[in-house]
Amino acid sequence: EIVLTQSPGTLSLSPGEGATLSCRASQSVSGSYLAWHQQKPGQAPRLLIYGATSRATGIPDRFSGSGSGTDFTLTISRLEPEDFAVYYCQQYGSLPYTFGQGTKLEIK
Amino acid sequence: LQLQESGPGLVKPSETLSLTCTVSGGSISSTTHYWGWIRQPPGKGLEWIGTIYYSGTTYYNPSLESRVTISVDTSTSQFSLKLSSVTAADTAVYYCARRTSGWPFDCWGQGALVTVSS
Repeated sequence: EIVLTQSPGTLSLSPGEGATLSCRASQSVSGSYLAWHQQKPGQAPRLLIYGATSRATGIPDRFSGSGSGTDFTLTISRLEPEDFAVYYCQQYGSLPYTFGQGTKLEIK
Repeated sequence: LQLQESGPGLVKPSETLSLTCTVSGGSISSTTHYWGWIRQPPGKGLEWIGTIYYSGTTYYNPSLESRVTISVDTSTSQFSLKLSSVTAADTAVYYCARRTSGWPFDCWGQGALVTVSS
Protein backbone atom coordinates (compact mmCIF):
# COMPACT_ATOMS: atom_id res chain seq x y z
CA GLU A 1 0.00 0.00 0.00
CA ILE A 2 1.29 3.45 -0.90
CA VAL A 3 1.19 5.80 2.08
CA LEU A 4 0.76 9.48 1.22
CA THR A 5 2.03 12.06 3.71
CA GLN A 6 0.86 15.64 3.31
CA SER A 7 2.52 18.70 4.75
CA PRO A 8 1.91 20.97 6.41
CA GLY A 9 -1.09 19.79 8.37
CA THR A 10 -2.44 23.32 8.56
CA LEU A 11 -1.45 26.36 6.50
CA SER A 12 -2.52 29.84 7.62
CA LEU A 13 -2.44 32.44 4.87
CA SER A 14 -4.21 35.60 3.76
CA PRO A 15 -6.24 36.12 0.59
CA GLY A 16 -3.97 37.21 -2.23
CA GLU A 17 -1.01 35.19 -0.98
CA GLY A 18 0.32 32.05 -2.63
CA ALA A 19 0.10 28.54 -1.14
CA THR A 20 2.31 25.50 -1.57
CA LEU A 21 1.03 22.11 -0.40
CA SER A 22 3.17 18.99 -0.40
CA CYS A 23 2.35 15.30 -0.83
CA ARG A 24 5.05 12.66 -0.42
CA ALA A 25 4.51 9.01 -1.33
CA SER A 26 6.10 6.03 0.40
CA GLN A 27 6.93 4.59 -3.02
CA SER A 28 6.83 5.83 -6.59
CA VAL A 29 3.33 6.62 -7.87
CA SER A 30 2.72 4.63 -11.04
CA GLY A 31 2.20 6.75 -14.14
CA SER A 32 2.10 9.93 -12.05
CA TYR A 33 -1.45 8.91 -11.22
CA LEU A 34 -1.66 11.52 -8.46
CA ALA A 35 -4.71 13.70 -7.89
CA TRP A 36 -5.63 16.61 -5.66
CA HIS A 37 -9.12 17.08 -4.26
CA GLN A 38 -10.58 20.08 -2.46
CA GLN A 39 -13.16 19.62 0.30
CA LYS A 40 -15.19 22.33 1.99
CA PRO A 41 -17.15 21.75 5.23
CA GLY A 42 -20.25 19.65 4.70
CA GLN A 43 -19.44 19.02 1.04
CA ALA A 44 -18.09 16.16 -1.00
CA PRO A 45 -14.55 16.40 -2.31
CA ARG A 46 -14.06 18.07 -5.69
CA LEU A 47 -11.39 16.98 -8.14
CA LEU A 48 -8.87 19.73 -8.88
CA ILE A 49 -5.83 18.07 -10.44
CA TYR A 50 -5.26 14.66 -12.06
CA GLY A 51 -2.18 13.07 -13.57
CA ALA A 52 -0.15 15.22 -11.17
CA THR A 53 -0.31 18.29 -13.43
CA SER A 54 -3.62 18.47 -15.34
CA ARG A 55 -6.45 20.66 -14.15
CA ALA A 56 -9.94 19.15 -14.07
CA THR A 57 -12.75 20.79 -16.00
CA GLY A 58 -13.67 24.21 -14.69
CA ILE A 59 -10.75 24.55 -12.30
CA PRO A 60 -9.20 28.05 -12.35
CA ASP A 61 -5.64 28.36 -13.60
CA ARG A 62 -4.46 29.68 -10.24
CA PHE A 63 -4.37 25.99 -9.25
CA SER A 64 -1.39 24.05 -10.56
CA GLY A 65 0.15 20.70 -9.81
CA SER A 66 3.69 19.48 -10.21
CA GLY A 67 5.94 16.58 -9.32
CA SER A 68 6.60 12.97 -10.17
CA GLY A 69 7.81 9.78 -8.54
CA THR A 70 7.33 10.30 -4.82
CA ASP A 71 7.12 14.08 -4.44
CA PHE A 72 4.16 16.16 -5.56
CA THR A 73 3.07 19.75 -5.02
CA LEU A 74 -0.16 21.69 -5.32
CA THR A 75 0.36 25.40 -5.80
CA ILE A 76 -2.37 28.00 -5.47
CA SER A 77 -1.37 31.45 -6.62
CA ARG A 78 -3.27 34.48 -5.37
CA LEU A 79 -5.60 32.85 -2.83
CA GLU A 80 -9.28 33.69 -3.16
CA PRO A 81 -11.65 33.52 -0.15
CA GLU A 82 -13.31 30.39 -1.60
CA ASP A 83 -9.97 28.53 -1.69
CA PHE A 84 -9.83 28.08 2.07
CA ALA A 85 -10.65 24.41 2.54
CA VAL A 86 -9.03 21.04 3.13
CA TYR A 87 -6.94 19.56 0.33
CA TYR A 88 -6.28 15.85 -0.15
CA CYS A 89 -3.85 14.14 -2.45
CA GLN A 90 -4.82 10.72 -3.79
CA GLN A 91 -2.90 8.10 -5.73
CA TYR A 92 -4.86 5.97 -8.19
CA GLY A 93 -2.03 4.10 -9.88
CA SER A 94 -1.89 1.15 -7.50
CA LEU A 95 -4.45 -0.75 -5.50
CA PRO A 96 -5.53 0.02 -2.88
CA TYR A 97 -6.16 3.62 -3.85
CA THR A 98 -5.00 5.82 -0.99
CA PHE A 99 -5.43 9.39 0.21
CA GLY A 100 -3.18 11.68 2.19
CA GLN A 101 -4.38 12.85 5.59
CA GLY A 102 -5.17 16.32 4.26
CA THR A 103 -3.86 19.87 4.55
CA LYS A 104 -6.19 22.45 6.01
CA LEU A 105 -5.79 25.85 4.38
CA GLU A 106 -7.16 28.46 6.76
CA ILE A 107 -7.50 32.22 6.70
CA LYS A 108 -4.84 33.99 8.70
CA LEU B 1 -23.98 13.10 -14.13
CA GLN B 2 -25.38 12.84 -10.63
CA LEU B 3 -24.86 10.27 -7.92
CA GLN B 4 -27.11 9.94 -4.87
CA GLU B 5 -26.53 7.76 -1.84
CA SER B 6 -29.45 6.30 0.09
CA GLY B 7 -29.90 3.98 3.04
CA PRO B 8 -30.35 3.84 6.81
CA GLY B 9 -28.56 6.50 8.79
CA LEU B 10 -28.34 4.35 11.92
CA VAL B 11 -27.05 0.79 12.16
CA LYS B 12 -26.60 -1.33 15.29
CA PRO B 13 -23.22 -2.80 16.19
CA SER B 14 -22.57 -6.25 14.65
CA GLU B 15 -25.22 -5.68 11.98
CA THR B 16 -24.75 -5.01 8.27
CA LEU B 17 -24.56 -1.52 6.81
CA SER B 18 -26.30 -1.24 3.44
CA LEU B 19 -26.18 1.72 1.08
CA THR B 20 -27.26 2.25 -2.50
CA CYS B 21 -25.98 4.76 -5.03
CA THR B 22 -28.28 5.82 -7.85
CA VAL B 23 -26.63 7.09 -11.02
CA SER B 24 -28.51 9.58 -13.17
CA GLY B 25 -27.60 11.65 -16.20
CA GLY B 26 -25.20 9.03 -17.47
CA SER B 27 -24.89 5.31 -18.09
CA ILE B 28 -23.75 2.97 -15.34
CA SER B 29 -22.92 0.50 -18.14
CA SER B 30 -20.28 2.75 -19.67
CA THR B 31 -17.19 0.76 -20.59
CA THR B 32 -14.88 3.57 -19.46
CA HIS B 33 -16.27 4.16 -15.99
CA TYR B 34 -15.87 2.47 -12.62
CA TRP B 35 -18.06 3.06 -9.59
CA GLY B 36 -16.68 3.32 -6.09
CA TRP B 37 -17.34 3.83 -2.42
CA ILE B 38 -15.20 6.04 -0.19
CA ARG B 39 -15.80 6.86 3.46
CA GLN B 40 -14.80 9.61 5.86
CA PRO B 41 -15.12 9.28 9.64
CA PRO B 42 -16.21 12.51 11.35
CA GLY B 43 -13.34 14.99 11.37
CA LYS B 44 -10.96 12.57 9.64
CA GLY B 45 -9.61 11.78 6.19
CA LEU B 46 -10.81 9.75 3.23
CA GLU B 47 -10.61 5.97 2.87
CA TRP B 48 -11.27 4.06 -0.33
CA ILE B 49 -13.57 1.07 0.31
CA GLY B 50 -13.90 -0.51 -3.11
CA THR B 51 -14.81 -0.15 -6.76
CA ILE B 52 -16.99 -2.05 -9.23
CA TYR B 53 -17.18 -2.21 -13.01
CA TYR B 54 -20.54 -2.56 -14.78
CA SER B 55 -19.71 -6.20 -15.54
CA GLY B 56 -19.54 -6.92 -11.81
CA THR B 57 -15.76 -7.05 -11.44
CA THR B 58 -14.83 -5.74 -8.01
CA TYR B 59 -11.76 -4.32 -6.33
CA TYR B 60 -11.68 -3.99 -2.55
CA ASN B 61 -9.44 -2.36 0.03
CA PRO B 62 -7.65 -5.26 1.75
CA SER B 63 -8.28 -3.59 5.11
CA LEU B 64 -12.04 -4.07 4.64
CA GLU B 65 -12.23 -6.89 2.12
CA SER B 66 -13.41 -9.54 4.56
CA ARG B 67 -16.50 -7.49 5.42
CA VAL B 68 -17.33 -5.68 2.16
CA THR B 69 -19.54 -6.59 -0.77
CA ILE B 70 -20.18 -4.20 -3.66
CA SER B 71 -22.71 -5.10 -6.33
CA VAL B 72 -24.21 -3.43 -9.40
CA ASP B 73 -27.66 -3.50 -10.97
CA THR B 74 -27.49 -2.03 -14.45
CA SER B 75 -31.26 -2.30 -14.92
CA THR B 76 -31.84 0.25 -12.16
CA SER B 77 -28.61 2.25 -12.63
CA GLN B 78 -27.62 1.51 -9.07
CA PHE B 79 -24.68 0.05 -7.26
CA SER B 80 -24.64 -0.98 -3.63
CA LEU B 81 -22.39 -1.37 -0.62
CA LYS B 82 -22.75 -3.90 2.17
CA LEU B 83 -20.41 -3.79 5.17
CA SER B 84 -20.92 -6.53 7.71
CA SER B 85 -20.18 -6.79 11.43
CA VAL B 86 -20.02 -3.05 11.89
CA THR B 87 -18.62 -1.31 14.96
CA ALA B 88 -18.48 2.31 16.08
CA ALA B 89 -15.30 2.66 14.02
CA ASP B 90 -17.42 2.31 10.88
CA THR B 91 -19.33 5.49 11.68
CA ALA B 92 -18.62 7.79 8.75
CA VAL B 93 -19.95 9.74 5.82
CA TYR B 94 -20.08 7.28 2.94
CA TYR B 95 -19.61 8.67 -0.56
CA CYS B 96 -20.27 7.00 -3.86
CA ALA B 97 -18.19 8.24 -6.77
CA ARG B 98 -17.35 7.67 -10.40
CA ARG B 99 -13.89 6.94 -11.71
CA THR B 100 -13.12 7.18 -15.39
CA SER B 101 -10.46 4.77 -16.64
CA GLY B 102 -7.09 6.44 -16.16
CA TRP B 103 -8.62 9.16 -14.01
CA PRO B 104 -9.20 9.53 -10.28
CA PHE B 105 -12.66 9.87 -8.77
CA ASP B 106 -14.08 12.80 -10.73
CA CYS B 107 -17.74 12.89 -9.73
CA TRP B 108 -18.96 12.38 -6.18
CA GLY B 109 -22.31 11.96 -4.49
CA GLN B 110 -23.21 14.32 -1.67
CA GLY B 111 -22.48 11.67 0.96
CA ALA B 112 -24.56 9.80 3.52
CA LEU B 113 -23.80 9.81 7.23
CA VAL B 114 -24.10 6.38 8.78
CA THR B 115 -23.85 6.11 12.56
CA VAL B 116 -23.18 2.78 14.25
CA SER B 117 -24.81 2.80 17.65
CA SER B 118 -27.15 0.72 19.74
